[in-house]
Amino acid sequence: AQKVTQAQTEISVVEKEDVTLDCVYETRDTTYYLFWYKQPPSGELVFLIRRNSFDEQNEISGRYSWNFQKSTSSFNFTITASQVVDSAVYFCALSEPLYNQGGKLIFGQGTELSVKP
Amino acid sequence: DTGVSQNPRHKITKRGQNVTFRCDPISEHNRLYWYRQTLGQGPEFLTYFQNEAQLEKSRLLSDRFSAERPKGSFSTLEIQRTEQGDSAMYLCASSLGWQGRETQYFGPGTRLLVL
Repeated sequence: AQKVTQAQTEISVVEKEDVTLDCVYETRDTTYYLFWYKQPPSGELVFLIRRNSFDEQNEISGRYSWNFQKSTSSFNFTITASQVVDSAVYFCALSEPLYNQGGKLIFGQGTELSVKP
Repeated sequence: DTGVSQNPRHKITKRGQNVTFRCDPISEHNRLYWYRQTLGQGPEFLTYFQNEAQLEKSRLLSDRFSAERPKGSFSTLEIQRTEQGDSAMYLCASSLGWQGRETQYFGPGTRLLVL
């Protein structure tokens, strides 16, 4: 069965600190996709990144970076020099097996990040 | 470029009443998904459409729930005889593609409270 675990329920940091959000996933499939979404208080899930299982290169986008390691089934997300506007709930998600072609996402429970000024 | 829109944004109803939510996907997106999110949890899949065809329904979708996408554009999710356990955020997402690996873009959700 597929599963996504975000062990950190809440994280609180002070502005300008770096913070890493952990994501561990379980799947038997060799081909899959991983995602990160941000959910601010308004409720809308905002897409941040999609990574396929064959691409283990780390990615950096501005203050955001992602570390994908198949060996440990982890897809961690780091925010450098955090800002108050980064305060939100962050979700890691795994696509269902691609042979199903349904594409539904399996989400973790989310990590609530609070960045204090 | 207009994103996914959902209406209403909030709905308060009494137990036993019927409610209907609407989702307008990103223009030309052929896939449309419904998810439900309860407090402190991640979204859970309910159902999805490819164009007007409903291709999969979760076991979470009881007989009181029905979804339609009549012309392959907007979709509606109806809950009949609402129960307090139906209180949740209902999220809609859309994507463009055929293989289930495409990025899903979410709407702002409809927050339902059943009294």
